[in-house]
Amino acid sequence: ELKVEQNPLFLSMQEGKNYTIYCNYSTTSDRLYWYRQDPGKSLESLFVLLSNGAVKQEGRLMASLDTKARLSTLHITAAVHDLSATYFCAGVIIQGAQKLVFGQGTRLTINP
Amino acid sequence: DVKVTQSSRYLVKRTGEKVFLECVQDMDHENMFWYRQDPGLGLRLIYFSYDVKMKEKGDIPEGYSVSREKKERFSLILESASTNQTSMYLCASSLDGNSPLHFGNGTRLTVT
Repeated sequence: ELKVEQNPLFLSMQEGKNYTIYCNYSTTSDRLYWYRQDPGKSLESLFVLLSNGAVKQEGRLMASLDTKARLSTLHITAAVHDLSATYFCAGVIIQGAQKLVFGQGTRLTINP
Repeated sequence: DVKVTQSSRYLVKRTGEKVFLECVQDMDHENMFWYRQDPGLGLRLIYFSYDVKMKEKGDIPEGYSVSREKKERFSLILESASTNQTSMYLCASSLDGNSPLHFGNGTRLTVT
């Protein structure tokens, strides 16, 4: 059974700082997704990581995947207030359809 | 852009009522999903469907059923609502087994 755990669950940081959110998963996952959710809104797909060593970057966010360690990271560089949101990672089980198993989410607050 | 539309944003029902949550997607996607989102637990999969009239149980199907009579529509049914089903319900769809999920805006259900 695939389990996905994120840490930290809450993160408060200042603008301009760097930080990393960690996503550990328990068994083999075909791929790893990162989503963003703003308060009261739905989930928005950020990245999909398909293979070991994969790295994707969009603006101040960079995601990477280490399948041997069963670890994905989401790195925030020089944080800005607009990045305040809840971030979810999700592993995948293929069972007819692609079933996503989500972590608990990391609520990120960036203070001016 | 893919649009996943959930019929109600907020819903208040009484214990024991039968509740229907409706979800429609407009991109001819094969797969559709129902998740519930609770603080500290992330998103948990209730049911999914990879074809019309096909349905599969997710991780927490108890107390729920689903219906997919047409490709674009996936309904979640609470046969007899209970207070522990108070939650945010998110519908999602994906084109196929390799594509990311697109989420609706969610239905916040309160059962009193």
